[in-house]
Amino acid sequence: GAVVSQHPSRVICKSGTSVKIECRSLDFQATTMFWYRQFPKQSLMLMATSNEGSKATYEQGVEKDKFLINHASLTLSTLTVTSAHPEDSSFYICSASVSRWRAEAFFGQGTRLTVV
Amino acid sequence: TQLLEQSPQFLSIQEGENLTVYCNSSSVFSSLQWYRQEPGEGPVLLVTVVTGGEVKKLKRLTFQFGDARKDSSLHITAAQPGDTGLYLCAGAEGSQGNLIFGKGTKLSVKP
Repeated sequence: GAVVSQHPSRVICKSGTSVKIECRSLDFQATTMFWYRQFPKQSLMLMATSNEGSKATYEQGVEKDKFLINHASLTLSTLTVTSAHPEDSSFYICSASVSRWRAEAFFGQGTRLTVV
Repeated sequence: TQLLEQSPQFLSIQEGENLTVYCNSSSVFSSLQWYRQEPGEGPVLLVTVVTGGEVKKLKRLTFQFGDARKDSSLHITAAQPGDTGLYLCAGAEGSQGNLIFGKGTKLSVKP
């Protein structure tokens, strides 16, 4: 299957600072990438859809000024958690679709964010 | 809003036993995916089913899509400890739609 790489896998930051998470499609071009958040023992919640060359589409209830998404190229999308607070601590996962068929997505390894 | 109900939520069995996980919805999906996720990692795609009534096999795993494309099942034969993980089903709203995830089934296979 297609490979999606996410970095870093773990990050600890101080409250009030910003953290950037990268999501790369290694062996294919992804016009669309997705960002999810997963709380312990829960399923994935879609946060936003990242479109190459245009603004991201955020799900209802997700603060776009807090979770900045940039999809500058066909192989890279970034999620920046700005002014992080302890309640932002979570497991963040990105995914990308190989083809126009967005449903068949491949996921990155995830990033465990801990805000102290 | 389409919802996917997954059952059971937790399943603990002995090595060698068979099991079935169900994914149900009142809505029709254009396709349905099954993923397996291990702690601290992203989900790994196992299979995609598209056609109503479709059955796909992946070694000891058998996936079925309901005739009406509203439900799906995952059957594991002779489970092994390596099958332990969180199994997630996800349905797609159309070919360009986002994935909607079920809450997952946490499977534990004991040696």
